[in-house]
Amino acid sequence: AQSVTQLGSHVSVSEGALVLLRCNYSSSVPPYLFWYVQYPNQGLQLLLKYTTGATLVKGINGFEAEFKKSETSFHLTKPSAHMSDAAEYFCAVSYNFNKFYFGSGTKLNVKP
Amino acid sequence: GAVVSQHPSWVICKSGTSVKIECRSLDFQATTMFWYRQFPKQSLMLMATSNEGSKATYEQGVEKDKFLINHASLTLSTLTVTSAHPEDSSFYICSARSWDSTYEQYFGPGTRLTVT
Repeated sequence: AQSVTQLGSHVSVSEGALVLLRCNYSSSVPPYLFWYVQYPNQGLQLLLKYTTGATLVKGINGFEAEFKKSETSFHLTKPSAHMSDAAEYFCAVSYNFNKFYFGSGTKLNVKP
Repeated sequence: GAVVSQHPSWVICKSGTSVKIECRSLDFQATTMFWYRQFPKQSLMLMATSNEGSKATYEQGVEKDKFLINHASLTLSTLTVTSAHPEDSSFYICSARSWDSTYEQYFGPGTRLTVT
């Protein structure tokens, strides 16, 4: 069975600090990779995706992620955290765009 | 961006009763809708995929007679939990995909179901 692991259910950073949210998948076949963000009382919103091409992908709100096949990872980063980045982040993989496998989510807290 | 709504956002029902959850795409036509279930501190698990006008395709282990899914129009899908039991208490999330989208799905805010 496919699995997506997000290390750290809660991550806390100071405003202006680097944000690093980790995501690893278990599969011998590289999947399509996604990061979603969920703000309170809202639906999941696509942050960025990797389907083909350049392995470093940029998304909205200054986030980016790098697909590393050798490490089966797709970690999400942002150079400088902002208070508005506080939310829950979900990593997801898919092989056919019909079935998505989600990680258990990481809640990001940004301290002033 | 595209908006998907769910109603109700929170529902409490008694064991043995049925409850219906609606998922609507507000500004686009959703040819495909997905229903997920999320347990506390766990990932979203796909329950079923429905295409407008067709029967839903359920994931392995999901009881189709307990979780009735109807996708009767391009903007509305419903999930009915029949004869609910406390173990059905969970967070249910729908998502919708437009006819012209390959992968992007738009998520509703979720419905929390509590069965007493």
